[in-house]
This record gives sequence, C-alpha cells and structure tokens, in this order.
Amino acid sequence: EIVLTQSPGTLSSSPGERVTLSCRASQSVPNNNLAWYQQKPGQASRLLIYGASIRATGIPDRFSGSGSGTDFTLTIGRLESEDFAMYYCQHYASSPTFGQGTKVEIK
Amino acid sequence: QVTLKESGPALVKPTQTLTLTCTLSGFSLSTGTMRVNWIRQPPGKALEWLAMIDWDDYKFYRTSLKTRLTISKDTSKNQVVLTMTKMDPIDTATYYCARGGDTYAFLLDSWGQGTLVTVSS
Repeated sequence: EIVLTQSPGTLSSSPGERVTLSCRASQSVPNNNLAWYQQKPGQASRLLIYGASIRATGIPDRFSGSGSGTDFTLTIGRLESEDFAMYYCQHYASSPTFGQGTKVEIK
Repeated sequence: QVTLKESGPALVKPTQTLTLTCTLSGFSLSTGTMRVNWIRQPPGKALEWLAMIDWDDYKFYRTSLKTRLTISKDTSKNQVVLTMTKMDPIDTATYYCARGGDTYAFLLDSWGQGTLVTVSS
C-alpha cells in the first residue's frame, strides 16, 4: 500500500496569500494518479486536482497541482475566504489511500 | 446535477451489523462506466477507502476489511448499499459515498455529505 504523508499538518495564512501544500508518497505513484480534495464541515468534499496537475471541472485557476513520482504539491495562488478548509491528497490506483490532511486556517 | 446522499443508523451496538444506503441522483449505476465508492473518516482522522461497485456489478474491497464488508446495488432504486459486520467502537466514523470516475474507478468526482455512525453499547 502506498502511504501518503502530507505537510504541514496545519497552515496558518491570510486571505490573498499564496500557500503550498505537500504530499509525499512512500513509493512512486503509478501514472501520477494523484488527486487533491477539499473538505469543509457539513459539506460534500470536492475534487480539485487529478493526474497531479489537471484541474477538475469548475475549479478556479488559483488552484494548481504539480509534481511527479513521489513528491506532489498543491498551490493556492491567492487565498480567498472560502479556501480555508482541510485538503487531502489521494492516489487512485488500485488500493487507493489518502494522506492525513492539511488544515488551512485563517491566521 | 449529480448528488449522493448517505443514510443509515446513527448508533449501532458492538457486534451488530451496520447497513448504509447511498441514494444517487443525476446519474445511474445502470449506465456503463459508472462506479460508487464508500469511504469513512474516524473523528479527527484521515479518510479511509472501503469498497467500490461498478455498473457491471464488479466489486472491490479494502483488503483489511474484506471479510466484514459487502457492497451491493439496487438499480431500480438507484441505490448502493454497504454492510459491515461485527461493528466495534473503532468503526465509529463518518461514512461517505462518492462516485468513481469513468476512467479511474477510485477517482472520486462527486461526494455525499456523509453520515456519522457511532458504535457504542
């Protein structure tokens, strides 16, 4: 099973700032099948990025993903108020796993 | 508009069997390439993928829970059902259903809001 480790656990930032979230895999993710999700309390989670760098339908372009192999990054270009949430990476090859999440909170 | 909604008991006793239902809207599991997954999240912990079923009734389970899980579909009701036997307090979690992608079964493009299940006597 591929273990995904996200860092930092919590990221404190202000609206308008640029933030970078990291996801490191214990082994190479096949075909860069790495996704990012946003989770807010009481709401349905939202797919942001798949294929490591492809934005899902309707996702604003301030969200971008990069990386390959074992190291992946989600960048939010300019934080907006609705972006304060939990973020999870996931590999979606066989036996999918998730990282433990990064909380983006208001500083 | 694609939506998924989980339903089931909020409280189950240890050793009991949990039955959860995911009601689909905006898409049908009788349509080719459609998949539905179940995922759970213990309080304050990470997401954990559990099981998947596709339009052709192919099923795939988390290896460590395979003996306890059963996933099934009722296409007439457009629902997916997950049962988990021998519930234990460690199974306390919010349970989510999510649609899998047509190319990648475990790429989750739409999620339900989840239902919290507490296991306690």
